[in-house]
Amino acid sequence: GDSVTQMEGPVTLSEEAFLTINCTYTATGYPSLFWYVQYPGEGLQLLLKATKADDKGSNKGFEATYRKETTSFHLEKGSVQVSDSAVYFCALSDRQVTGGGNKLTFGTGTQLKVEL
Amino acid sequence: DAGVIQSPRHEVTEMGQEVTLRCKPISGHDYLFWYRQTMMRGLELLIYFNNNVPIDDSGMPEDRFSAKMPNASFSTLKIQPSEPRDSAVYFCASSSAGAVDQPQHFGDGTRLSIL
Repeated sequence: GDSVTQMEGPVTLSEEAFLTINCTYTATGYPSLFWYVQYPGEGLQLLLKATKADDKGSNKGFEATYRKETTSFHLEKGSVQVSDSAVYFCALSDRQVTGGGNKLTFGTGTQLKVEL
Repeated sequence: DAGVIQSPRHEVTEMGQEVTLRCKPISGHDYLFWYRQTMMRGLELLIYFNNNVPIDDSGMPEDRFSAKMPNASFSTLKIQPSEPRDSAVYFCASSSAGAVDQPQHFGDGTRLSIL
Protein backbone atom coordinates (compact mmCIF):
# COMPACT_ATOMS: atom_id res chain seq x y z
CA GLY A 1 0.00 0.00 0.00
CA ASP A 2 0.87 3.66 -0.15
CA SER A 3 2.99 5.19 2.59
CA VAL A 4 4.84 8.41 3.43
CA THR A 5 7.90 8.62 5.68
CA GLN A 6 9.05 11.91 7.20
CA MET A 7 12.00 12.78 9.35
CA GLU A 8 11.35 12.76 13.08
CA GLY A 9 10.96 16.01 14.93
CA PRO A 10 11.09 18.34 16.61
CA VAL A 11 13.47 20.31 14.44
CA THR A 12 14.80 23.40 16.21
CA LEU A 13 16.48 26.15 14.18
CA SER A 14 17.63 29.69 14.69
CA GLU A 15 15.95 32.41 12.68
CA GLU A 16 17.42 32.79 9.16
CA ALA A 17 18.77 29.23 9.16
CA PHE A 18 18.28 26.87 6.21
CA LEU A 19 15.52 24.29 6.55
CA THR A 20 15.24 20.81 5.10
CA ILE A 21 12.53 18.35 6.09
CA ASN A 22 12.95 14.99 4.40
CA CYS A 23 10.02 13.08 2.91
CA THR A 24 10.04 9.81 0.98
CA TYR A 25 7.09 7.87 -0.33
CA THR A 26 5.92 4.49 -1.57
CA ALA A 27 3.03 4.35 -4.02
CA THR A 28 1.47 1.76 -6.31
CA GLY A 29 0.76 4.30 -9.04
CA TYR A 30 1.89 7.76 -10.03
CA PRO A 31 1.00 10.02 -7.13
CA SER A 32 0.55 13.73 -6.67
CA LEU A 33 2.59 15.04 -3.73
CA PHE A 34 1.74 17.69 -1.16
CA TRP A 35 3.09 19.55 1.82
CA TYR A 36 0.58 20.75 4.41
CA VAL A 37 1.29 23.02 7.39
CA GLN A 38 -0.54 23.10 10.72
CA TYR A 39 -0.18 26.14 12.97
CA PRO A 40 -1.06 25.78 16.66
CA GLY A 41 -4.79 25.45 17.25
CA GLU A 42 -5.63 25.31 13.56
CA GLY A 43 -6.38 22.77 10.86
CA LEU A 44 -3.98 21.74 8.12
CA GLN A 45 -3.42 24.13 5.22
CA LEU A 46 -1.99 23.29 1.83
CA LEU A 47 1.51 24.73 1.54
CA LEU A 48 2.55 23.47 -1.90
CA LYS A 49 2.05 20.60 -4.31
CA ALA A 50 3.59 18.86 -7.34
CA THR A 51 1.84 16.52 -9.73
CA LYS A 52 4.57 14.99 -11.90
CA ALA A 53 8.24 14.12 -11.87
CA ASP A 54 10.67 17.09 -11.70
CA ASP A 55 7.85 19.52 -10.87
CA LYS A 56 8.80 22.05 -8.23
CA GLY A 57 6.09 23.30 -5.89
CA SER A 58 6.72 26.60 -4.13
CA ASN A 59 4.92 28.97 -1.77
CA LYS A 60 5.91 31.51 0.92
CA GLY A 61 9.61 30.83 0.31
CA PHE A 62 9.21 27.06 0.72
CA GLU A 63 10.08 24.70 -2.14
CA ALA A 64 9.92 20.98 -2.83
CA THR A 65 10.85 19.04 -5.98
CA TYR A 66 9.13 15.80 -7.05
CA ARG A 67 11.99 13.29 -7.46
CA LYS A 68 10.66 10.08 -8.98
CA GLU A 69 14.05 8.37 -9.13
CA THR A 70 14.55 8.71 -5.38
CA THR A 71 10.81 8.72 -4.48
CA SER A 72 11.34 11.89 -2.47
CA PHE A 73 9.72 15.29 -1.94
CA HIS A 74 11.94 17.14 0.52
CA LEU A 75 10.76 20.52 1.85
CA GLU A 76 13.29 23.37 1.88
CA LYS A 77 13.41 27.03 2.84
CA GLY A 78 16.46 29.23 2.61
CA SER A 79 15.81 31.42 5.65
CA VAL A 80 13.25 30.48 8.26
CA GLN A 81 11.37 32.90 10.48
CA VAL A 82 9.84 32.51 13.92
CA SER A 83 6.43 32.63 12.24
CA ASP A 84 7.28 29.38 10.37
CA SER A 85 7.06 27.43 13.62
CA ALA A 86 4.42 24.78 12.95
CA VAL A 87 3.95 21.10 12.14
CA TYR A 88 4.62 20.11 8.54
CA PHE A 89 2.97 17.10 6.89
CA CYS A 90 4.03 15.40 3.67
CA ALA A 91 1.20 13.62 1.82
CA LEU A 92 0.41 11.81 -1.42
CA SER A 93 -2.69 11.17 -3.51
CA ASP A 94 -2.45 8.14 -5.76
CA ARG A 95 -4.44 8.45 -8.95
CA GLN A 96 -4.04 4.74 -9.66
CA VAL A 97 -6.04 3.70 -6.63
CA THR A 98 -9.47 2.77 -7.90
CA GLY A 99 -12.15 4.73 -6.11
CA GLY A 100 -9.50 6.54 -4.14
CA GLY A 101 -10.71 9.88 -5.28
CA ASN A 102 -8.89 12.61 -3.46
CA LYS A 103 -7.90 10.43 -0.51
CA LEU A 104 -4.55 11.49 0.97
CA THR A 105 -1.93 9.37 2.69
CA PHE A 106 -0.13 11.52 5.29
CA GLY A 107 3.23 11.24 6.96
CA THR A 108 3.45 11.52 10.73
CA GLY A 109 4.30 15.23 10.67
CA THR A 110 7.48 17.10 11.64
CA GLN A 111 7.36 19.84 14.24
CA LEU A 112 9.51 22.87 13.45
CA LYS A 113 10.52 25.35 16.15
CA VAL A 114 12.30 28.52 15.08
CA GLU A 115 14.00 30.58 17.79
CA LEU A 116 15.36 34.12 17.75
CA ASP B 1 -15.31 32.60 0.81
CA ALA B 2 -16.24 30.51 3.83
CA GLY B 3 -13.99 27.58 4.52
CA VAL B 4 -14.91 24.30 6.16
CA ILE B 5 -16.87 25.04 9.31
CA GLN B 6 -16.81 22.72 12.29
CA SER B 7 -18.76 22.90 15.52
CA PRO B 8 -18.32 22.92 18.38
CA ARG B 9 -14.70 24.08 18.64
CA HIS B 10 -14.35 22.52 22.07
CA GLU B 11 -16.38 19.81 23.80
CA VAL B 12 -15.91 18.48 27.30
CA THR B 13 -18.20 15.71 28.47
CA GLU B 14 -18.43 12.78 30.83
CA MET B 15 -17.70 9.27 29.65
CA GLY B 16 -20.77 7.39 28.52
CA GLN B 17 -22.39 10.48 27.02
CA GLU B 18 -23.24 10.82 23.36
CA VAL B 19 -21.10 13.27 21.41
CA THR B 20 -22.03 14.78 18.05
CA LEU B 21 -19.53 16.70 15.95
CA ARG B 22 -20.72 18.75 13.01
CA CYS B 23 -19.18 19.84 9.73
CA LYS B 24 -20.22 22.11 6.88
CA PRO B 25 -18.00 21.56 3.84
CA ILE B 26 -17.10 24.18 1.26
CA SER B 27 -19.97 24.68 -1.14
CA GLY B 28 -19.55 22.68 -4.33
CA HIS B 29 -17.07 20.20 -2.90
CA ASP B 30 -17.83 16.55 -3.64
CA TYR B 31 -15.63 14.85 -1.06
CA LEU B 32 -15.80 15.06 2.72
CA PHE B 33 -13.28 13.50 5.10
CA TRP B 34 -13.25 12.98 8.88
CA TYR B 35 -9.88 12.71 10.64
CA ARG B 36 -8.77 12.21 14.22
CA GLN B 37 -5.48 13.62 15.54
CA THR B 38 -3.72 12.53 18.73
CA MET B 39 -0.15 12.78 19.94
CA MET B 40 0.18 9.00 20.08
CA ARG B 41 -1.35 8.06 16.71
CA GLY B 42 -0.93 11.23 14.67
CA LEU B 43 -3.50 12.02 11.97
CA GLU B 44 -5.89 9.17 11.18
CA LEU B 45 -8.52 9.08 8.42
CA LEU B 46 -11.75 7.78 9.92
CA ILE B 47 -14.17 7.87 6.99
CA TYR B 48 -14.79 9.74 3.78
CA PHE B 49 -17.78 10.47 1.58
CA ASN B 50 -18.21 11.17 -2.13
CA ASN B 51 -21.45 12.87 -3.16
CA ASN B 52 -22.87 12.14 0.32
CA VAL B 53 -22.18 8.39 0.04
CA PRO B 54 -19.66 6.76 2.44
CA ILE B 55 -16.81 5.34 0.37
CA ASP B 56 -14.37 4.01 2.97
CA ASP B 57 -15.09 3.67 6.68
CA SER B 58 -12.24 1.28 7.44
CA GLY B 59 -10.67 3.84 9.75
CA MET B 60 -13.64 4.06 12.09
CA PRO B 61 -12.27 2.61 15.33
CA GLU B 62 -15.33 0.69 16.48
CA ASP B 63 -19.10 0.51 16.41
CA ARG B 64 -19.37 3.35 18.90
CA PHE B 65 -18.45 5.70 16.03
CA SER B 66 -20.86 6.56 13.24
CA ALA B 67 -20.92 9.23 10.54
CA LYS B 68 -23.63 10.53 8.29
CA MET B 69 -23.93 12.99 5.44
CA PRO B 70 -27.63 13.66 4.88
CA ASN B 71 -26.95 16.33 2.25
CA ALA B 72 -24.12 18.04 0.44
CA SER B 73 -23.74 20.79 3.03
CA PHE B 74 -23.73 18.89 6.32
CA SER B 75 -22.09 15.93 8.00
CA THR B 76 -22.00 14.56 11.53
CA LEU B 77 -19.66 12.29 13.41
CA LYS B 78 -21.25 10.67 16.45
CA ILE B 79 -19.68 8.77 19.33
CA GLN B 80 -22.01 6.79 21.56
CA PRO B 81 -21.09 5.95 24.25
CA SER B 82 -17.96 8.09 24.56
CA GLU B 83 -14.83 6.91 26.38
CA PRO B 84 -11.76 8.81 27.68
CA ARG B 85 -9.60 7.28 24.92
CA ASP B 86 -11.75 9.10 22.37
CA SER B 87 -10.23 12.40 23.53
CA ALA B 88 -8.58 13.96 20.49
CA VAL B 89 -8.90 16.73 17.94
CA TYR B 90 -11.34 15.78 15.18
CA PHE B 91 -10.97 17.44 11.79
CA CYS B 92 -13.30 17.62 8.86
CA ALA B 93 -11.96 18.35 5.38
CA SER B 94 -13.51 18.71 1.94
CA SER B 95 -12.28 18.74 -1.63
CA SER B 96 -13.64 18.95 -5.14
CA ALA B 97 -13.73 16.07 -7.60
CA GLY B 98 -11.67 15.82 -10.75
CA ALA B 99 -7.91 15.58 -10.77
CA VAL B 100 -6.33 13.93 -7.76
CA ASP B 101 -4.19 16.99 -7.17
CA GLN B 102 -7.17 18.87 -5.80
CA PRO B 103 -6.18 19.77 -2.24
CA GLN B 104 -8.22 19.02 0.83
CA HIS B 105 -9.41 22.04 2.80
CA PHE B 106 -9.50 21.51 6.55
CA GLY B 107 -11.67 23.01 9.24
CA ASP B 108 -10.15 24.25 12.49
CA GLY B 109 -11.17 21.07 14.30
CA THR B 110 -13.15 20.10 17.38
CA ARG B 111 -11.08 19.49 20.51
CA LEU B 112 -12.89 16.71 22.37
CA SER B 113 -12.17 15.85 25.99
CA ILE B 114 -13.93 12.87 27.59
CA LEU B 115 -13.63 12.87 31.38
